[in-house]
Amino acid sequence: DVKVTQSSRYLVKRTGEKVFLECVQDMDHENMFWYRQDPGLGLRLIYFSYDVKMKEKGDIPEGYSVSREKKERFSLILESASTNQTSMYLCASSPMVDNNYEQYFGPGTRLTVT
Amino acid sequence: GQQVMQIPQYQHVQEGEDFTTYCNSSTTLSNIQWYKQRPGGHPVFLIQLVKSGEVKKQKRLTFQFGEAKKNSSLHITATQTTDVGTYFCAGLPGSGYALNFGKGTSLLVTP
Repeated sequence: DVKVTQSSRYLVKRTGEKVFLECVQDMDHENMFWYRQDPGLGLRLIYFSYDVKMKEKGDIPEGYSVSREKKERFSLILESASTNQTSMYLCASSPMVDNNYEQYFGPGTRLTVT
Repeated sequence: GQQVMQIPQYQHVQEGEDFTTYCNSSTTLSNIQWYKQRPGGHPVFLIQLVKSGEVKKQKRLTFQFGEAKKNSSLHITATQTTDVGTYFCAGLPGSGYALNFGKGTSLLVTP
C-alpha cells in the first residue's frame, strides 16, 4: 500500500513563528503536492513538485515556501506564521505516469496559529 | 486559474434515496478524478475517467465523463449511511501536473 505520512496531526504555533510541515511518501512518486483545506473552499493548491529540487507555485503560494531535497520528502514552510494560515494542510503524492494520475493523500496536519 | 465548479454544495437524503453531484469545467480536461473524504479523514481516490463519454461503475456508484470532456457526474443509487462524506471532483487540464479540485459536495444520509 502507498503510504503518505505527515509529521504532525495537530500543531499549535504563535504568530510570527517559522513552521515546518513535513511529508514523506514511500512509493517513489515523482510528484508531490501541498494543499490547504478550509470549510467551503475545498482543496486549494499551495505548491507542487515534479522532481527533486523542482517546485511550482499553485493557486495560493503567498506566505509559503517549499523544499524538496529528496524524492520521498516534501516540506512546506511558513516563514512567519499568521492567523489566516490556520487551516488543515494536506500533502499528496502521485506517480503521474502510464496514465495514472491518482493522488495519494496523507492524513493531514491541522495547524492553529494563535 | 482554471475553474472546476461542483454542485450542490450540500445534500441531505434519506437512506435509500439516490444522490448525484455534478462538476463543470471552464476548459477541456484530459481526465477527471473523483475522491471521497469521510468526516475527519483525508481524500481517498475513487476513480479516474479519461475518455470522452466514458461511464464507469463501482457497485452503487456510477461515474460519467461528458462528451466534451468538460463535465462529469457521480451518481449513487440507494444511498447508505456509509456513503456519508464529501465527494470531490478534480480535473486535470490538457497540460500540466496540477489537479483543479471542485469545492466538494457534502452528503449526509439519515437512516
